[in-house]
Amino acid sequence: DGGITQSPKYLFRKEGQNVTLSCEQNLNHDAMYWYRQDPGQGLRLIYYSQIVNDFQKGDIAEGYSVSREKKESFPLTVTSAQKNPTAFYLCASRTTGGGEKLFFGSGTQLSVL
Amino acid sequence: KNQVEQSPQSLIILEGKNCTLQCNYTVSPFSNLRWYKQDTGRGPVSLTIMTFSENTKSNGRYTATLDADTKQSSLHITASQLSDSASYICVVSAIKAAGNKLTFGGGTRVLVKP
Repeated sequence: DGGITQSPKYLFRKEGQNVTLSCEQNLNHDAMYWYRQDPGQGLRLIYYSQIVNDFQKGDIAEGYSVSREKKESFPLTVTSAQKNPTAFYLCASRTTGGGEKLFFGSGTQLSVL
Repeated sequence: KNQVEQSPQSLIILEGKNCTLQCNYTVSPFSNLRWYKQDTGRGPVSLTIMTFSENTKSNGRYTATLDADTKQSSLHITASQLSDSASYICVVSAIKAAGNKLTFGGGTRVLVKP
């Protein structure tokens, strides 16, 4: 089945620790995105990538880092510099060149121990 | 600043009843508006897309309307089912030189009770 796979579903971070959230897609989409979702708030863009080996900061990039070494993969690292990391993280992809329909993964819930 | 406001924040309806969700936006220049359904603990899934020239669009029991003059959209759910329990998110796309930019509403949480 074509789609976006996020892992793990649940993740716990200790103080001072970096953690990496995985996002893989087999839709052959060029663009990939990471969003953060907090209760009662709209999704906020962390990072996005329109093509392999290129990515751009979104609205709340501080404390996060990404890489895009392969078209299929767009991992997100939550660094120790992110002081309030507890949130639901969503990865999405879409085709470029027209249409803004996003295809989302099932999300990763990150909590702080 | 581009903003999308949704109301109500949450609502409870009985199975079989209808309900309407509202979305007001101040996004410019407007490209399109999309409604997503998000089940608890899952990613959002697109329901409908509305462009500037469209007033209404249906997807099964879901009907979206758009008034581009007043910058308002609504999502009407007909004959609600228990599976309609979810959050509904309004997303407005602005035309931007480097590609369309999306602004997300905070969502309306719908609970359908038997």
